[in-house]
Amino acid sequence: EAGVAQSPRYKIIEKRQSVAFWCNPISGHATLYWYQQILGQGPKLLIQFQNNGVVDDSQLPKDRFSAERLKGVDSTLKIQPAKLEDSAVYLCASSLTPLAGGTNIQYFGAGTRLSVL
Amino acid sequence: KQEVTQIPAALSVPEGENLVLNCSFTDSAIYNLQWFRQDPGKGLTSLLLIQSSQREQTSGRLNASLDKSSGRSTLYIAASQPGDSATYLCAVFTGNQFYFGTGTSLTVIP
Repeated sequence: EAGVAQSPRYKIIEKRQSVAFWCNPISGHATLYWYQQILGQGPKLLIQFQNNGVVDDSQLPKDRFSAERLKGVDSTLKIQPAKLEDSAVYLCASSLTPLAGGTNIQYFGAGTRLSVL
Repeated sequence: KQEVTQIPAALSVPEGENLVLNCSFTDSAIYNLQWFRQDPGKGLTSLLLIQSSQREQTSGRLNASLDKSSGRSTLYIAASQPGDSATYLCAVFTGNQFYFGTGTSLTVIP
């Protein structure tokens, strides 16, 4: 079974530039998550999709971050413009269902490490 | 708001020792708790998932316990090996969102 695919693995940009990350979840997983993990901290949820609809984006800095999941499969996360504090690893995860009664084990991609200079 | 804390932040043990990692959470209204492993430069791998109605789960040398009423979970690793060196994170699921701890960085010395 193929895992969650993310690209690129690494990205270095200057502040005020734009950047986009791509995620392809495990086939059949309806739920997709984007997390931000700053060095030394646990992952923080940015946005959660159920199919192509947004379930939770309460912690997404909407003035500069945007995400979409067209057709309920692949997803992209964009930052425009980037700030120094956006330097982090951006993790994508997917699960079959977010519901408590189901098996909501999350499967994570390897992440994209972003450095903003 | 749910807050998840992990103690200690870092742990170094000689190979072969049994060890315990701790996770505490402030709101006991959770559906389940997961323990993850994260290797440097890689994503997270789910190790164990404990539903709120369960007390513990076991997988090989790993045993995770859950005391929901006191807001605590422990991950027990038996007979530690150098390959166990990684960061271990716990996460609680509240029904609509996961909250992660900051992790315990484990080093097993050969």
